[in-house]
Amino acid sequence: GAVVSQHPSWVICKSGTSVKIECRSLDFQATTMFWYRQFPKQSLMLMATSNEGSKATYEQGVEKDKFLINHASLTLSTLTVTSAHPEDSSFYICSARALTGANYEQYFGPGTRLTVT
Amino acid sequence: GIQVEQSPPDLILQEGANSTLRCNFSDSVNNLQWFHQNPWGQLINLFYIPSGTKQNGRLSATTVATERYSLLYISSSQTTDSGVYFCAVELGGGNDMRFGAGTRLTVKP
Repeated sequence: GAVVSQHPSWVICKSGTSVKIECRSLDFQATTMFWYRQFPKQSLMLMATSNEGSKATYEQGVEKDKFLINHASLTLSTLTVTSAHPEDSSFYICSARALTGANYEQYFGPGTRLTVT
Repeated sequence: GIQVEQSPPDLILQEGANSTLRCNFSDSVNNLQWFHQNPWGQLINLFYIPSGTKQNGRLSATTVATERYSLLYISSSQTTDSGVYFCAVELGGGNDMRFGAGTRLTVKP
């Protein structure tokens, strides 16, 4: 199956600093990637859709100026949490669709655990 | 938006038991996938199953698209099956996936 990687796998930062998370499709190209956030014992919630070469599409309630998304190439999307606060502490997961056989299936990265102190 | 409901929310089994997890969705979908989230947070693809029945070892899944539900069967459960099982649906081509709340499965030895 297709492989999606994320870096870093975990990060601790101080309140007010910015953190960049990378999402890469390792063996396929992805014109669209998705960023999700998961709080403890909750489900995944879509934050935004990352489009290669154009602006990201954000879900209602997600601040685009706080969560900057850049999809610079067909294999890389980055999420930057700017001026992070403790309430931004969460598990961030990216995904991409890849053609598997005759179907497009979603593949997820291993996630990045962000802790803001 | 589309509603995705999973049941039961929690399930505790003795090793060797069988179980059925259910996913109901409120609209027609282009894609439905079942995932297992392991203790480290990684989502593992179990099935791509917008309709029909598939089997993979001790796991099988059935989606009845016309009635808007999907079932995941786990037979002869093992402790390594523990974790959270998510159902997720995609409405149309190129779209994101919307997740249910998950079923937290605990298999005791």
